[in-house]
Amino acid sequence: DTEVTQTPKHLVMGMTNKKSLKCEQHMGHRAMYWYKQKAKKPPELMFVYSYEKLSINESVPSRFSPECPNSSLLNLHLHALQPEDSALYLCASSQDKKGLTLGASPLHFGNGTRLTVT
Amino acid sequence: AQSVTQLDSQVPVFEEAPVELRCNYSSSVSVYLFWYVQYPNQGLQLLLKYLSGSTLVKGINGFEAEFNKSQTSFHLRKPSVHISDTAEYFCAVRGNTDKLIFGTGTRLQVFP
Repeated sequence: DTEVTQTPKHLVMGMTNKKSLKCEQHMGHRAMYWYKQKAKKPPELMFVYSYEKLSINESVPSRFSPECPNSSLLNLHLHALQPEDSALYLCASSQDKKGLTLGASPLHFGNGTRLTVT
Repeated sequence: AQSVTQLDSQVPVFEEAPVELRCNYSSSVSVYLFWYVQYPNQGLQLLLKYLSGSTLVKGINGFEAEFNKSQTSFHLRKPSVHISDTAEYFCAVRGNTDKLIFGTGTRLQVFP
């Protein structure tokens, strides 16, 4: 069982749809991440939120819009996606307490949302 | 900047045999090193991490890894594998930033 919960597990959407992916953690972690993983490839970083503020955007197209409503929740809003956006979308969190070495905190991943864009 | 190289894309091995999955990293600063495992249709699970101290790190499921600074390596080992160890294994490196950088992965296939 994972301590990072992602919903839905599977999502099929058309190119004109608007949908959202949700991620929740209750470990008190203050950094949350979105990764995209294509088949047989490593995860690629999309966004990082630190203390509910966007700290990294890896030049992701604007059809992906992240949101961090509070320290436990992370959303990814999807609009006008393309078929090549079909992938496994992974959410992760890490402790990253202020004053501690940032890189030492391992990331905890959810099981992902399998997205298919038709 | 940091980078990670996993030299083997696939490693086939028979059950109960030992296995080593290779990982080399490159960085101009001190780094933290991690191994993650991904089972089919699941997310990534942390196997072990090297932060500092002893260079031999023990993780879950009987895996261990050795940090070698002079060879910039962090190879993963298990003395006796099981069928259930069949999965994708990712080595990852992180400096003192938010970014966790993954290697390309090694597919471990355990045969009976």
